[in-house]
Amino acid sequence: DTAVSQTPKYLVTQMGNDKSIKCEQNLGHDTMYWYKQDSKKFLKIMFSYNNKELIINETVPNRFSPKSPDKAHLNLHINSLELGDSAVYFCASSPGYEQYFGPGTRLTVT
Amino acid sequence: RKEVEQDPGPFNVPEGATVAFNCTYSNSASQSFFWYRQDCRKEPKLLMSVYSSGNEDGRFTAQLNRASQYISLLIRDSKLSDSATYLCVVNPNTGGFKTIFGAGTRLFVKA
Repeated sequence: DTAVSQTPKYLVTQMGNDKSIKCEQNLGHDTMYWYKQDSKKFLKIMFSYNNKELIINETVPNRFSPKSPDKAHLNLHINSLELGDSAVYFCASSPGYEQYFGPGTRLTVT
Repeated sequence: RKEVEQDPGPFNVPEGATVAFNCTYSNSASQSFFWYRQDCRKEPKLLMSVYSSGNEDGRFTAQLNRASQYISLLIRDSKLSDSATYLCVVNPNTGGFKTIFGAGTRLFVKA
């Protein structure tokens, strides 16, 4: 009964490739997020969707494109991967401000 | 000044000790406040919300000081399992359900 799930858990890829990370929540929440946690462990918000509508779009390169096909899913597509994209990407969902996180996707770009 | 600041620690305490963390925020209009814990290589998990009146959950007490713009987390009778990074989270009230995470305070509880 995983509340927030992400796939894949690990992703190793080469520079220049395009990859996607998927997130699903079964909590019935209206709001979903993508966060990036870098090697210094700082957790930074990237995007937020509310009822499939983009409501937060932080200063993130255009290579990152989120998509929410429905309220329970939020995917993240990354084009032309760079070394600096290596990080852990967390998806989260929320009924308000308290957030419930997925297990994370550890992306390594070589 | 960072929007949310925490002492990174680490705090090294023996089992049974009482330890307190503070977190300051820069936006006086901030509303909702939370503490999360994050274990090594795991996702952050909500520990507790912080209310104006303060709140307590077992060995954990959270307080909000709006005048000085900080929140605190007190852990009593520390357990080995309390070892983790504690993240302070603030809703800056800028719309869109945005929340800002502090960089975290690392706690090690030793036997």
